[in-house]
Amino acid sequence: GNSVTQMEGPVTLSEEAFLTINCTYTATGYPSLFWYVQYPGEGLQLLLKATKADDKGSNKGFEATYRKETTSFHLEKGSVQVSDSAVYFCALSSNSGYALNFGKGTSLLVTP
Amino acid sequence: GAGVSQSPSNKVTEKGKDVELRCDPISGHTALYWYRQSLGQGLEFLIYFQGNSAPDKSGLPSDRFSAERTGGSVSTLTIQRTQQEDSAVYLCASSSNPGLASDTQYFGPGTRLTVL
Repeated sequence: GNSVTQMEGPVTLSEEAFLTINCTYTATGYPSLFWYVQYPGEGLQLLLKATKADDKGSNKGFEATYRKETTSFHLEKGSVQVSDSAVYFCALSSNSGYALNFGKGTSLLVTP
Repeated sequence: GAGVSQSPSNKVTEKGKDVELRCDPISGHTALYWYRQSLGQGLEFLIYFQGNSAPDKSGLPSDRFSAERTGGSVSTLTIQRTQQEDSAVYLCASSSNPGLASDTQYFGPGTRLTVL
């Protein structure tokens, strides 16, 4: 079946540090890949997505590239801010179904 | 509406009672989804609606859980005879192009259910 594995948190970084959150997936066919973010006290928001191999999704300085050869969709940001503190979820949507399969989430804390 | 709305935002109930959770999707979105977010299990899919029918109910954990959608809009998730393990945040999402690679699900703020 489909599954998503992302790195365990919590991740603590200083402001302006480089961020990588690893995400790998197992899926049949050609899934679409997503990063969702959940800020404290708020609902899930779509951060970025990619729908085919080698696509790069980007938003708010975050980027992730759909790597089919390594079945990965790692999230990166060059310089994090305190306001980026949140829980980040990697997810996939397979082309044979409608449900999103989520990773467990990675909590990020950015300190001044 | 501007986004997906859910009510109530918080619900505390006693074990054995029935609860109803409501979701109002983004206007015009044909697809509606329910998920559950709990500490031990992460985010789990429960059920998917296309219009008023539910072609995928595979995530409902037991027959105590049911959902309906009326008028292709509002959906209600009902949990009968609640158990403590039902305590979680119940999330609703909607989308406009289900089954397409370009589809994006938009989530509501969730209902936090606590079963005492």
